[in-house]
Amino acid sequence: NAGVTQTPKFRVLKTGQSMTLLCAQDMNHEYMYWYRQDPGMGLRLIHYSVGEGTTAKGEVPDGYNVSRLKKQNFLLGLESAAPSQTSVYFCASGRPLLYEQYFGPGTRLTVT
Amino acid sequence: AQSVTQLDSQVPVFEEAPVELRCNYSSSVSVYLFWYVQYPNQGLQLLLKYLSGSTLVESINGFEAEFNKSQTSFHLRKPSVHISDTAEYFCAVSERNTPLVFGKGTRLSVIA
Repeated sequence: NAGVTQTPKFRVLKTGQSMTLLCAQDMNHEYMYWYRQDPGMGLRLIHYSVGEGTTAKGEVPDGYNVSRLKKQNFLLGLESAAPSQTSVYFCASGRPLLYEQYFGPGTRLTVT
Repeated sequence: AQSVTQLDSQVPVFEEAPVELRCNYSSSVSVYLFWYVQYPNQGLQLLLKYLSGSTLVESINGFEAEFNKSQTSFHLRKPSVHISDTAEYFCAVSERNTPLVFGKGTRLSVIA
């Protein structure tokens, strides 16, 4: 099992450009999450999904959109990137009632 | 809404010395508590968790944490640290069927 994978690992964008981050999991988990990690801020939840076709906002959703068309994939989109979105993005997945989450290796995004 | 406070942002400790990383939470209902570890340039890995039952939980690599409901704490301890324990540690809390909320992290540096 690959667990949770993220594509790409690194990306540099210019202000105003768009991009999509892909998260895939092969553990048949119902729940999936997108976090951003900034120095001294811990992990903050952007959006999450409790099942195929469903999404919900987290703590810091502004400037991001998500889609969960397939159970194994969770996409995070930036329509118009801003320097404040420079961060490391982590995807995670999990099952209900077990509560623990499994994390991907992260995507380091720089917006200039 | 739940929240997590990690009282120390950085903890330096000499090899083979004991360490305690402090975590306090706030919640109005029953909670589930977690410690995650992040090694440099990696994603987060679950270290240990408290869901119910015994208030003392242990990890396979010698860490333990005790759930203290009256003090709303879930401190992480290890009696003798190794260089390989150098990492960032995150405390997290979840109420029933809600996403994890993470603390800001404690960077543990083990000095030879």
